[in-house]
Amino acid sequence: EIVMTQSPATLSVSPGERATLSCRASQSVSSNLVWYQQKPGQAPRLLIYGASTRATGVPARFSGSGSGTEFTLTISSLQSEDSAVYHCQQFDNWPRTFGQGTKVEIK
Amino acid sequence: QVQLVQSGAEVKKPGASVKVSCEASGYSFTSYSIHWVRQAPGQRLEWMGWINVGSGNTKYSQKFQGRVTLTRDISASTAYMELRSLRSEDTAVYYCARDEDLWGQGALVTVSA
Repeated sequence: EIVMTQSPATLSVSPGERATLSCRASQSVSSNLVWYQQKPGQAPRLLIYGASTRATGVPARFSGSGSGTEFTLTISSLQSEDSAVYHCQQFDNWPRTFGQGTKVEIK
Repeated sequence: QVQLVQSGAEVKKPGASVKVSCEASGYSFTSYSIHWVRQAPGQRLEWMGWINVGSGNTKYSQKFQGRVTLTRDISASTAYMELRSLRSEDTAVYYCARDEDLWGQGALVTVSA
């Protein structure tokens, strides 16, 4: 099973500043990676698929990069509504596996 | 409107079974697969299994093999997840998801004596 590791566990960022979240896979997943945003009491929402493609309706301040084992989600200018937990998930292999999540807080 | 609507919260006793439904609307149900994912309190999202809606083929996480069954009713555009021999550690929110892009609202299953 591929283990997904996210860092940091919690990120505190001021409004308007950049947030950089990392996700590492224990073996290559090519570009078969997605990022989700999850707010309290809600289901995850797809942000990025194919490691770098924004899903429909996702603001341009969200961007994804990476391939193989190292991936990054960047929020270029943090807004208050971006406070959430962000999860990465690989869909290269069975079973599908998720990272433990990064909580983004507004400073 | 494209959406997945899940059944409501359930409270079960240890050893019982639960069956959660996931009704699809606004798209061709047989053109996509459905995954089931759960989230226990304070834990990461955990993939349970997948069903190819068109063929009915399934894949299960080894962790749940033998305890979970995924099915679908094409005429009702509904997918189902049944989990048996429930224990307290199965207390979680259970989600269905269309491939990776659309999630149901979740169904809380509480297992308590």
